[in-house]
Amino acid sequence: AQSVTQLGSHVSVSEGALVLLRCNYSSSVPPYLFWYVQYPNQGLQLLLKYTSAATLVKGINGFEAEFKKSETSFHLTKPSAHMSDAAEYFCAVRTGNQFYFGTGTSLTVIP
Amino acid sequence: DAGVIQSPRHEVTEMGQEVTLRCKPISGHNSLFWYRQTMMRGLELLIYFNNNVPIDDSGMPEDRFSAKMPNASFSTLKIQPSEPRDSAVYFCASSTNNDRYNEQFFGPGTRLTVL
Repeated sequence: AQSVTQLGSHVSVSEGALVLLRCNYSSSVPPYLFWYVQYPNQGLQLLLKYTSAATLVKGINGFEAEFKKSETSFHLTKPSAHMSDAAEYFCAVRTGNQFYFGTGTSLTVIP
Repeated sequence: DAGVIQSPRHEVTEMGQEVTLRCKPISGHNSLFWYRQTMMRGLELLIYFNNNVPIDDSGMPEDRFSAKMPNASFSTLKIQPSEPRDSAVYFCASSTNNDRYNEQFFGPGTRLTVL
């Protein structure tokens, strides 16, 4: 079974609009959850991670994600999109020493 | 910290040739991962090492692919013979095992083109 699911392989938003990228994880896995960003022609870099200290996690570049156990979700948001946010975003879960990645969501920002 | 180091960054070769990709993980990291990324198939895990031992190689496409980790600071991914369908970006990543909240760190990738 898929450990993590990203709904929407492509998301388009206008510059300045809210960004919402969805990630749901399997309830059978512990919630060691991560969001990564991949800019064109680059490797993946960590945006943020859930550490159980708080359900609302703040990351780099104004992104944040909220852990909701009842919904098994860890959606990524940003209040106001910037052109530089155009990239591929991956949700991932750690099980033991292995990592399982979602299929990615490509974010397009329309000027 | 230099991060995960991969070489070469770009490789262009002809079908049938041997290709060797190299990775130096972050010092102190126990686990090392090789991924392949293509437009068609997305990000795929090829193989995962823990303490230099291959743990899961179920993602290795076929016998043409092999990976080694002779010590904690070096790993190779070899393709012999290479085929055009092997063209992709290959990423190496490393992580520590001492805390489940620790993330994977990715290298910049090697872009392989097989003509």
